[in-house]
This record gives sequence, C-alpha cells and structure tokens, in this order.
Amino acid sequence: EAGVTQFPSHSVIEKGQTVTLRCDPISGHDNLYWYRRVMGKEIKFLLHFVKESKQDESGMPNNRFLAERTGGTYSTLKVQPAELEDSGVYFCASSRQGAEGYTFGSGTRLTVV
Amino acid sequence: QQQVKQSPQSLIVQKGGISIINCAYENTAFDYFPWYQQFPGKGPALLIAIRPDVSEKKEGRFTISFNKSAKQFSLHIMDSQPGDSATYFCAASTSGTYKYIFGTGTRLKVLA
Repeated sequence: EAGVTQFPSHSVIEKGQTVTLRCDPISGHDNLYWYRRVMGKEIKFLLHFVKESKQDESGMPNNRFLAERTGGTYSTLKVQPAELEDSGVYFCASSRQGAEGYTFGSGTRLTVV
Repeated sequence: QQQVKQSPQSLIVQKGGISIINCAYENTAFDYFPWYQQFPGKGPALLIAIRPDVSEKKEGRFTISFNKSAKQFSLHIMDSQPGDSATYFCAASTSGTYKYIFGTGTRLKVLA
C-alpha cells in the first residue's frame, strides 16, 4: 500500500507570496489531517477532514490559511499571503474511520524569507 | 498553552543502555497516549500506544509506563541501539476527537 504523499518536500518563498501544499492520503482513508511543526516546538494540529468535509478546523492560525479536499481524495493547503511566522514543517496524515493512530507523510518544509 | 509536556529535549545514551523519555499531561479527558518515532526526512511513525486502563505496555524493546494519578507516562527503550537514534514524540487524545496533542519532541542519539 502506498503511503501518504506530500509535495513539494521543500518550498522557499518570499513574504507576501502564495504557496500551495498538496497531500495524497492512503487510498481508502476517509480521515485526513494537517499538522505543523515550527522549529523545536510541538507538532500542532491544524485541521481534520472526513472525506471532503472539514470536521475540525480549530487549529488553523488565521484566514490566510485555506484547506480543501477535493472529492474526498487529495487535499491542498494554501497560504496566502505567506508571513515569516508561517515557516515550519507541514505534515499531512491519514487514517481509516475508527482506526487509532495515523500514517504521516514525510512533510513539506516551508521557509518564508 | 502546552497541554503535554515532554522531557528531556535531547538525550544521549550508550549502546545497550536504557533510554527514558517522560511526558506529563493536564487534561484528564485524554484516554489514548501514543508515541511516535521520527527519522530525519521522514514523517512521524506510530511506535506504541497505551490507554489508561493499563499501567504498562511492552512491545519488544519498547515499553510505555503509565501513571494515571500523576498524569504522567514515559517511554523506555531497553538495550538502546544506534538505529534507535531519532526524534520521539509523545501525544495524547480523547476518544472520538481524532485530534492529537503532541509533546515538543526528544532527540535521542545512541552512541555506538
């Protein structure tokens, strides 16, 4: 079974630009999550999709962040406009309904300069 | 507000030694406590998990000890190997929420 795929693996953008991160979950996993780790800090929850619906977006920092999940398959996380404090590693994870434990992707390292 | 406090931040252990990482939580509604292992360039991977109805869970060289009254849990790695060198994250969640609260991570280095 293919794992959770994220791309790009790295992105360096200037403050004020737009960046879109993509996540392809494991096929058949209805649950999809986005998390972020800022350097040296905890991995912090951003939001949770069940299929194409946002179940919990309580961790989204502000309205510069927009997440979508097209047809309940892949998901994108757009940051517009990017600020310096948005730098970090963005992780996507997926799980089957009712399962405990996630499968994480390798992450996208975003650097805003 | 940090709801799961993890220590130490980094740990160096000799090969064959015991690695111990501790976590403390505040929210008594938490009822699932996983540990994740992350190698450089990879995402975190589920290592072992425990629920509060048991005080200890062992899988191979990895053991979780859980103290419900103290609201603490710890990961013990017996006979630590250089291949165990990674960052370890504890986490906590409440049934039905699917959202994890992670600790800040412990970078473990096992010397050959």
